[in-house]
Amino acid sequence: KAGVTQTPRYLIKTRGQQVTLSCSPISGHRSVSWYQQTPGQGLQFLFEYFSETQRNKGNFPGRFSGRQFSNSRSEMNVSTLELGDSALYLCASSLTLALNEQFFGPGTRLTVL
Amino acid sequence: QKEVEQNSGPLSVPEGAIASLNCTYSDRGSQSFFWYRQYSGKSPELIMSIYSNGDKEDGRFTAQLNKASQYVSLLIRDSQPSDSATYLCAVKSNTGKLIFGQGTTLQVKP
Repeated sequence: KAGVTQTPRYLIKTRGQQVTLSCSPISGHRSVSWYQQTPGQGLQFLFEYFSETQRNKGNFPGRFSGRQFSNSRSEMNVSTLELGDSALYLCASSLTLALNEQFFGPGTRLTVL
Repeated sequence: QKEVEQNSGPLSVPEGAIASLNCTYSDRGSQSFFWYRQYSGKSPELIMSIYSNGDKEDGRFTAQLNKASQYVSLLIRDSQPSDSATYLCAVKSNTGKLIFGQGTTLQVKP
């Protein structure tokens, strides 16, 4: 069974631009969560989607948004990029909200110049 | 107080020894607990999950949970150099969010 896939793997943007990251969950998984990982803050929860609805949200500004499609694929968008948004963005999928085990994709490394 | 706390290490153990990794959490209502392993430059990999008090064994790994003390640990028996990585403790809070600790770096020396 294929794992979680994320595209693109690497991205370089400049301040003020916006970016869209994509995540395809493991086949059959319906819940997708997004995390930001930085050396200083560690792994921080962004949001979780299930059945095309945001079910939970972390403490990030409104510049960070996401959505989920009917095939469970998810995208996250960051608008008006700041230098501090440089991070590894990880997507994780799980079967449902109730089943807690989450499996991570390889991540998208975003660099903001 | 951080929601999930881990000693950042590094924890250095000789090959073949037992590595003991610890984690405390603040949300007393938490019900699900996980250990992830993350190699440098890679994404986290789930290695253990535990939901009830006591021990859970899987191969060389044993997770231990004590909800009264709000404490989770991971024991790695017969440590190998390939076990050298950062180990992340994750706790699902009663709000449904999965909260990660900062991770403990383990070094297994041949």
